[in-house]
Amino acid sequence: RKEVEQDPGPFNVPEGATVAFNCTYSNSASQSFFWYRQDCRKEPKLLMSVYSSGNEDGRFTAQLNRASQYISLLIRDSKLSDSATYLCVVMDSSYKLIFGSGTRLLVRP
Amino acid sequence: GAVVSQHPSWVICKSGTSVKIECRSLDFQATTMFWYRQFPKQSLMLMATSNEGSKATYEQGVEKDKFLINHASLTLSTLTVTSAHPEDSSFYICSARDHTWGRGDTGELFFGEGSRLTVL
Repeated sequence: RKEVEQDPGPFNVPEGATVAFNCTYSNSASQSFFWYRQDCRKEPKLLMSVYSSGNEDGRFTAQLNRASQYISLLIRDSKLSDSATYLCVVMDSSYKLIFGSGTRLLVRP
Repeated sequence: GAVVSQHPSWVICKSGTSVKIECRSLDFQATTMFWYRQFPKQSLMLMATSNEGSKATYEQGVEKDKFLINHASLTLSTLTVTSAHPEDSSFYICSARDHTWGRGDTGELFFGEGSRLTVL
């Protein structure tokens, strides 16, 4: 079983749509959680950290459920520029980041 | 945010040669840097953790004699792919956390731009 699992997609949505990505992780001792965005052939960039209380940054909302070992990312009012691969990332107790394989999002006009 | 510079961005080499990739933290100190490899349509896989002034820690299945890591200063780590073969062709990315004395550690990892290696 992979340490971090994501649906690879692609999710193909129209502009303005709301889309949600899910992620599960296997190590209950994981400490921190993040969503990264990766554009094609580019390095990953931090989108947002994920906190147990849930957090929002503009159109993006992230949630963490430690009991279920489940992380989510919600994107509202999708823009064309949101097209990218979204990586669910978990930090283990030794500060290593474990990456999911990513969920590809395509936002069409 | 903090900046990590990686060089070269692209490299093409012949099979059997060695290639060195540099990773520099430009405006912060990084006692620890991480090296990842990403094959097409796959996730980033951690290869090794580079520790300033000491030996790198390699992940299971990564050959330390093939992927030589040197972290001689607080701002520079290098990865050398020795005797490269076509199956080593991949996207190599380094990352670092800001460990500058006096700054709070946000936990954020800053990535280099990546180095795309093609071995012919």
